[in-house]
Amino acid sequence: EAQVTQNPRYLITVTGKKLTVTCSQNMNHEYMSWYRQDPGLGLRQIYYSMNVEVTDKGDVPEGYKVSRKEKRNFPLILESPSPNQTSLYFCASSLSSGSSYNEQFFGPGTRLTVL
Amino acid sequence: DAKTTQPNSMESNEEEPVHLPCNHSTISGTDYIHWYRQLPSQGPEYVIHGLTSNVNNRMASLAIAEDRKSSTLILHRATLRDAAVYYCILSDVHNQGGKLIFGQGTELSVKP
Repeated sequence: EAQVTQNPRYLITVTGKKLTVTCSQNMNHEYMSWYRQDPGLGLRQIYYSMNVEVTDKGDVPEGYKVSRKEKRNFPLILESPSPNQTSLYFCASSLSSGSSYNEQFFGPGTRLTVL
Repeated sequence: DAKTTQPNSMESNEEEPVHLPCNHSTISGTDYIHWYRQLPSQGPEYVIHGLTSNVNNRMASLAIAEDRKSSTLILHRATLRDAAVYYCILSDVHNQGGKLIFGQGTELSVKP
């Protein structure tokens, strides 16, 4: 089944403890991105990647890192999480980034709480 | 990116058609109109998209006004499973970041 998977689905952590949220897709998609969803603010893009070893900042990249060493994986790294990063995170992928024509597939979400 | 305006909420009865409106008066000639929906506790899900002509797929139809300043997502027979937040999004065809700008959307409730 074609899908985007995220792990973990739920995470409670403390301020400053490094964490990684994994994202994987099995559709051989070139393009992947991360969004966060907060009440009243909608979904906002954090980082995106047009292909292996190519990443760029979205609208809210502060406090986050990403890497794209393989086509299927796009982990989101929080080196020193803070309470304002408490949010619902979604990973998305699409066939290519050459045009916004392409349908984007979203993962099930990761609910992160930083105490 | 041009903005869209949608009603905050709408209600429908099961098995009846639903017309979800979206205004985008500042749309540019290279903006695609996308619709996504988000079911409770799930990630957004693609519904349909179009540029100028009306579009149909297995999930829904998209009716685009002749001047492209508005569009309507049509669910032909609403089911309980269609209860979700529906987002109307504009994205430039040359958008290199692939970014979708989600507004507040329309929360659709479906009554049995």
